[in-house]
Amino acid sequence: NAGVMQNPRHLVRRRGQEARLRCSPMKGHSHVYWYRQLPEEGLKFMVYLQKENIIDESGMPKERFSAEFPKEGPSILRIQQVVRGDSAAYFCASSREGGLSNQPQHFGDGTRLSIL
Amino acid sequence: DQQVKQNSPSLSVQEGRISILNCDYTNSMFDYFLWYKKYPAEGPTFLISISSIKDKNEDGRFTVFLNKSAKHLSLHIVPSQPGDSAVYFCAARRTGANNLFFGTGTRLTVIP
Repeated sequence: NAGVMQNPRHLVRRRGQEARLRCSPMKGHSHVYWYRQLPEEGLKFMVYLQKENIIDESGMPKERFSAEFPKEGPSILRIQQVVRGDSAAYFCASSREGGLSNQPQHFGDGTRLSIL
Repeated sequence: DQQVKQNSPSLSVQEGRISILNCDYTNSMFDYFLWYKKYPAEGPTFLISISSIKDKNEDGRFTVFLNKSAKHLSLHIVPSQPGDSAVYFCAARRTGANNLFFGTGTRLTVIP
């Protein structure tokens, strides 16, 4: 999955700590999506961002979760006061054009978040 | 509410034979469908897609068929190769939405 870079690949946090997940889209892509995958489930959409704008956050939990995609630098998914249920694989995807176009989303290798 | 369903969690096929992976959906507003392949500890890799205005799209060994009346699509891989062993996810996007809805995946094992 060359192109979309996510780090860290693995992140361990204790309950109550903060988790920050980073995503750099493919070169030339300005649309970023975050998905979460729980064990034995498919990926679930969380949020869609363009540079400096959140376009669709309909899949994002209302509390403790936030996302940004600043003008410079990677997109950040931030989880405050983590709980055990936040343990999952978090995938970032990017596309050249917006989600309404018939352009595939290309995924990074994910960040596996484990909450102790 | 699982709008995209892959009812077969696993599938085993002999090398050289055809692999057929199935996917059903419930939302008639879906207009764009994709298949992704995923290896362990990696992200999904895009394979092939199809728009709802078509009923077939082919790319090398991979062909996707769409049956809108049945709300069903399938991915055919022929001939299957051991390197095709992976989890395959079906995904769909509905008109006017930005995000993809994913199935729960089918684990394909191609036996040499």
